Amino acid sequence: KAGVTQTPRYLIKTRGQQVTLSCSPISGHRSVSWYQQTPGQGLQFLFEYFSETQRNKGNFPGRFSGRQFSNSRSEMNVSTLELGDSALYLCASSSGTDRGYEQFFGPGTRLTVL
Amino acid sequence: GEDVEQSLFLSVREGDSSVINCTYTDSSSTYLYWYKQEPGAGLQLLTYIFSNMDMKQDQRLTVLLNKKDKHLSLRIADTQTGDSAIYFCAESIRDSIGNQFYFGTGTSLTVIP
Repeated sequence: KAGVTQTPRYLIKTRGQQVTLSCSPISGHRSVSWYQQTPGQGLQFLFEYFSETQRNKGNFPGRFSGRQFSNSRSEMNVSTLELGDSALYLCASSSGTDRGYEQFFGPGTRLTVL
Repeated sequence: GEDVEQSLFLSVREGDSSVINCTYTDSSSTYLYWYKQEPGAGLQLLTYIFSNMDMKQDQRLTVLLNKKDKHLSLRIADTQTGDSAIYFCAESIRDSIGNQFYFGTGTSLTVIP
């Protein structure tokens, strides 16, 4: 079974631009969660999508948004980039049901904002 | 929100045992997990334990859970240089819409040859 894939692996943007990151979960998994990882703040939960609906959201500004498609692939978008958005963005997939107690991570997208 | 806490750094000599500790606040955890993150990579699920278990062993890894003290530990026997990484403790809490996951800050393990 293929693992979680994320594209692109690396991105360099400038302040004010926007960016879209993509995540393909493990086949059969319906839940995709996004996390931001920085050295200072650790791993912070952004949001979770399940069956094309956002069902959980962390404490991030509205510049961070996401969506999920019918094939469970998910995208997250960050608009009006700031220097502080430089981070490793991780997505994780799970079945999303009450038996979905295992969460599997992709390799991440390293975003650098200049 | 739920707090999951870990010490930031641990340094051990190759061949020794490593013990990484974690405390959590929510007693309604369903599962508790240990993830490993190597430089530039995502998180790799190492092992997990159901909240009604006390111990789980998997090759060199031993997980101990003390529910009374809300304390979880990961013991790595015969630590190797390849074990150098950041280790995250996490818990999942089941609610009406599924499992919610909460992560600790990570413990950076350095193995000295």
